Amino acid sequence: NAGVMQNPRHLVRRRGQEARLRCSPMKGHSHVYWYRQLPEEGLKFMVYLQKENIIDESGMPKERFSAEFPKEGPSILRIQQVVRGDSAAYFCASSPRTGRETQYFGPGTRLLVL
Amino acid sequence: AQTVTQSQPEMSVQEAETVTLSCTYDTSENNYYLFWYKQPPSRQMILVIRQEAYKQQNATENRFSVNFQKAAKSFSLKISDSQLGDTAMYFCAFTNRLPTYGQNFVFGPGTRLSVLP
Repeated sequence: NAGVMQNPRHLVRRRGQEARLRCSPMKGHSHVYWYRQLPEEGLKFMVYLQKENIIDESGMPKERFSAEFPKEGPSILRIQQVVRGDSAAYFCASSPRTGRETQYFGPGTRLLVL
Repeated sequence: AQTVTQSQPEMSVQEAETVTLSCTYDTSENNYYLFWYKQPPSRQMILVIRQEAYKQQNATENRFSVNFQKAAKSFSLKISDSQLGDTAMYFCAFTNRLPTYGQNFVFGPGTRLSVLP
């Protein structure tokens, strides 16, 4: 059973460009979570999604950030008009339909904004 | 709001010895889960151990065990027979088991553990 997959692993963008981060949950998992980790800090919750629904986006910045988890395909975290402060590691986690308490993390995407 | 505190930014331990990492948390809830995650230099987040608040028995996982003190809201991690591969950042995390809270995790700031040969 493959783990949580994230791609790309590293992404470099110039200020003003768009960044698109993908996450494929573990097989059988229908809950997806996105976290951001700034250098030397812990992970901060951004958004929680189930298929085709955003359940909790209380950690998402109000502007430029959006997330989706379509019926088919991976979950996407989109950052429009990136700024240097968006440079961070973005982690995706998933959990199963039942036993939602344990989250399994992907390897993360390191975003660098020049 | 729930918060998680890890008061030790860095720790070191000699190989084969035992080390304890501290974690305290603040919540008004009675049912919740606590976790320790490990983040080695590869930066992959790896689940080490989890504890359900309604269970009084401390969780153990091979060389890893916890000391869960619910009244004190303390959740420390003990690593026995430390190995070089245990060198990593260790994050304590909390989640409420009620679905209305979205079950997102609240993470502590981390403790950087170095195992010395």
